[in-house]
Parts: sequence; C-alpha cells; structure tokens
Amino acid sequence: GAVVSQHPSWVICKSGTSVKIECRSLDFQATTMFWYRQFPKQSLMLMATSNEGSKATYEQGVEKDKFLINHASLTLSTLTVTSAHPEDSSFYICSARDISTDTQYFGPGTRLTVL
Amino acid sequence: QKEVEQDPGPLSVPEGAIVSLNCTYSNSAFQYFMWYRQYSRKGPELLMYTYSSGNKEDGRFTAQVDKSSKYISLFIRDSQPSDSATYLCATKYNFNKFYFGSGTKLNVKP
Repeated sequence: GAVVSQHPSWVICKSGTSVKIECRSLDFQATTMFWYRQFPKQSLMLMATSNEGSKATYEQGVEKDKFLINHASLTLSTLTVTSAHPEDSSFYICSARDISTDTQYFGPGTRLTVL
Repeated sequence: QKEVEQDPGPLSVPEGAIVSLNCTYSNSAFQYFMWYRQYSRKGPELLMYTYSSGNKEDGRFTAQVDKSSKYISLFIRDSQPSDSATYLCATKYNFNKFYFGSGTKLNVKP
C-alpha cells in the first residue's frame, strides 16, 4: 500500500517556540494532503486541507496564523505550529490522498509536547 | 446529526471470536467507504475500501456495505490479540470531503 511518512515522530519544545512537522508521500504523488489533530482517546479532528501549489483550507475554529501549512510539492506538506503553547500539545497526523484509489493514507503521527 | 455514527465501545471479545464493527451514515450520496485500524499512539492504517454495496473480503476481514439502510460493517474472523486497536469507518462525498466515525475500541483477550 501507499506509504506516508512524518517527521519528527515526537518533539518537545518550550512555550513560545515554533515547530515544523513534515509529511511526505513516499511512493505516490499527493495533490491533496490533510492535517489532523487527535487528543487522547478521541477521534481525528480535521484541521486543514492542503492542495499542492495553493493555499490551505482551514476548518472552522482553526487559526491559520497559528498553524501554517505549506504544500510546495506533490510529495511534501509541512505544518508549522507557531508560538506554541502547552494547549497545543497533541498528536498531529497527516494524510495524503492517493488519486488512484481515492482514499487517504495516514502518516504515523507526531506527538508534540509544549512545556 | 453527524455524517457518520459509530459506537465507541469498548468491545471486548475472546480470541478466535468473530467481531462485527458497525457504522451508519446519513447521506445516501456517499459512495466510497473505508475502514482504518489505529493502534495506540500510531496513525490510522487503511484496512479496506469499497465503492459499492455488498461484501468485500481480504483475508480475515470482510467489509460490508448496505446502501439501502446506510449501514457499513467490518467483520473480523478468528480474531487475534493483535487485532486489538481502534477501528475507524470513513466515507467520502465530494472530491476532498472525507467523514470519519469516532472509532470503536476493540480488545481481543487471549
């Protein structure tokens, strides 16, 4: 099956710093990638949809200036959490849409802890 | 009403049992249906996807879609402790709009 990688797998940072998370589709081109957030024992919460070469579409309630998304190529999307605060601590998961099967394939997730 | 409803469980079964996981959806226009498995602290893994009504089998897993009742199921035969995870159903409407269930936590006891 299609493989999506995420880096880093976990990160600990100080409050006020920015953190960048990378999402890569390894064996297929993804014109669309998605960013999710997941709190413990809860389901996925879609944050934004990013399309290659255009601005991301953010879900209601998600601050676009706080969560910067860049989808510069067909295999890479990045999420930058700017001026992170402890309440941003969460599990962030990306996914990429494979056109050939019209399904989403998920990355392994990044656990962010803001001290 | 949520687009996709799923019983959160937890569902606990003995090893070897047949497991039935179910979801209902609200919009008859939904065409594609998917099941994902998520282990703790990992990203969801696509198990199966189907475009039509009826059954689709892959090893011990069978996905079933009943469009007339807007009901989707995942059956796991001969369940194993390694099947213990949270299972998410999902459906897709238009080009990029996916809807996920809240997930059912399954525990298979040895």
